[in-house]
Amino acid sequence: EAQVTQNPRYLITVTGKKLTVTCSQNMNHEYMSWYRQDPGLGLRQIYYSMNVEVTDKGDVPEGYKVSRKEKRNFPLILESPSPNQTSLYFCASRYRGSNTEAFFGQGTRLTVV
Amino acid sequence: SQELEQSPQSLIVQEGKNLTINCTSSKTLYGLYWYKQKYGEGLIFLMMLQKGGEEKSHEKITAKLDEKKQQSSLHITASQPSHAGIYLCGADPTGNQFYFGTGTSLTVIP
Repeated sequence: EAQVTQNPRYLITVTGKKLTVTCSQNMNHEYMSWYRQDPGLGLRQIYYSMNVEVTDKGDVPEGYKVSRKEKRNFPLILESPSPNQTSLYFCASRYRGSNTEAFFGQGTRLTVV
Repeated sequence: SQELEQSPQSLIVQEGKNLTINCTSSKTLYGLYWYKQKYGEGLIFLMMLQKGGEEKSHEKITAKLDEKKQQSSLHITASQPSHAGIYLCGADPTGNQFYFGTGTSLTVIP
């Protein structure tokens, strides 16, 4: 089954404790991206990757890191999480190019206390 | 960047009623996507529209893109509780970044 898998689904952590949210897709998509969703602000792109070893900043990259060592994986790293990073995070993947459907993971609800 | 404005922000309808959600773009759309999100869950792809005047339907949901390609509407006929959720329009003008509208929250009362 074609899917984007994120882990964990839920995470509560403390300020400053490094964490990684994993994202994996099994569709051989070149393009992967991370979003955060906040009430009243909608979905905002954090980082995206056009292919292996190619990453770029989205609209809200501050406080986040990503890597793309393999085509299927695109982890989101928070080196020193802060309470303002409490949010619902989504990973997405699709074939490269415009007008291709994006597939989304089920989301990771992160709370930073 | 591409700005997408959705209206209304929220909608409460009685089961069986028709409804329309609008998505207006600040720039010409070269591809407009509609997604549905159940509360707190991932996004489910509904439809993609590319050509001016294009209309697509899936079950009781119809989406249209106007001739000028700056506005799209999503119409649900005879709404059911299963239609409840957040509807998001999205656009990807460059192939690099997907932009989303702020969403329309739909509640269907049985």
